Order: sequence, then structure tokens, then C-alpha cells
Amino acid sequence: IAGITQAPTSQILAAGRRMTLRCTQDMRHNAMYWYRQDLGLGLRLIHYSNTAGTTGKGEVPDGYSVSRANTDDFPLTLASAVPSQTSVYFCASSDLSGTQYFGPGTRLTVL
Amino acid sequence: AQSVSQHNHHVILSEAASLELGCNYSYGGTVNLFWYVQYPGQHLQLLLKYFSGDPLVKGIKGFEAEFIKSKFSFNLRKPSVQWSDTAEYFCAVITISSGSARQLTFGSGTQLTVLP
Repeated sequence: IAGITQAPTSQILAAGRRMTLRCTQDMRHNAMYWYRQDLGLGLRLIHYSNTAGTTGKGEVPDGYSVSRANTDDFPLTLASAVPSQTSVYFCASSDLSGTQYFGPGTRLTVL
Repeated sequence: AQSVSQHNHHVILSEAASLELGCNYSYGGTVNLFWYVQYPGQHLQLLLKYFSGDPLVKGIKGFEAEFIKSKFSFNLRKPSVQWSDTAEYFCAVITISSGSARQLTFGSGTQLTVLP
């Protein structure tokens, strides 16, 4: 069982380009999340999805969009990347107790 | 909205020293509490969690945490740290209320450095 996989592992991107970060889980969890981690700021929630077909905004949603077409996949899209979106991005899913399980992360650099 | 405070941003200890990392949250209702650990270059892993029952919970690698409701605290402890415990530690809280998504609120993290 892989748990949560994320792709790519890392990416360098020119400002203004579109980028989709992929996240797939095989635990059949209903809820999924995207966080960004920045030094000194901990983890901040970008978007979440309680179940397939629904999404919601987290603490820092601007500049990001998500979709949840099925239970397993929860891609995060940056429509037009800016340098302030340089960060490490973690995808997570949670079981019914609310315990979250994290993917390995994507390190994104926007130049 | 709830918040989580981790007062120690960076803790430096020698091997075999005892560890206590503070975590306080601001929410008067029912909470589920978590500690996650992030080793250098890795993703967050669950260290331990508290939902109900015995307020002293034991996790992996010899860690434990005590929930003190009156103090809104969930401090992490380990009697004797090892060099391999060097990592960043995050406290997190879910507030339990009907009809809402169970979203974690994270503290800003405490970087623990253990000197050999």
C-alpha cells in the first residue's frame, strides 16, 4: 500500500506558467487536503475536499485551484505561478477520526 | 477560530537529556489533539494522538504527551532524547463540532536539534 503519492517531487517553474501538482491516495479516504509549508509559518491549508465532487477554501487559497473528480485524486493547479508560491506542498488525506496522513511533498520553485 | 501555539521555536539538547515541548490551543469545546514529526527532508508522520480517555498518551519512539484540559495544553515529552530525534515537531488540533469538516490547525512547529 503506497498511501499517498505526489508528483512531481520537485519542480522549477518560470513565473506566469501554469502548473498542476498531482496527489493520489489509495486508502479510500473521503477527505483530502493541500498544504503549503514555509519556514517559520508551519503548514497552511490551501484547499480541502470533504468528499469527491466537493471542495473548499482553506487559509491561503488565492492563486490556487483544486478539483476532486474521484475519491483517489486531488490535483492542485497554479494557474499563473508567482515567486511567492515557492514552497513545499503537501497533500494529505484523513480517516474518519480526522487523523491526517501526508504525502512526501513537492518542492516548487517559481523564478 | 481555533489557534495552536508552540512557544519554543528551536530547542537544542544533548543526547540523553529530557524533552518537553509545549503546545497550547485556544478552543473551549471538544478537541482531538495530535503531534506530528517531520525528519529532515521528509513528510509529516503521526507521532501520537489523543481523542478521549487517559490523558497521558504514548506514541512511537518513546514519546508521550499529556492532555491537560484546564490548561488547554498538550505537551510532548521524552525522558531521554537521541540524536535521531532531531526533527521538527508540530502540534495540531481538530475541533469537534457537528456539520463541519474536521480540519487540522497546526502550530508553527518546534525544531529540535539533538547534539551527539
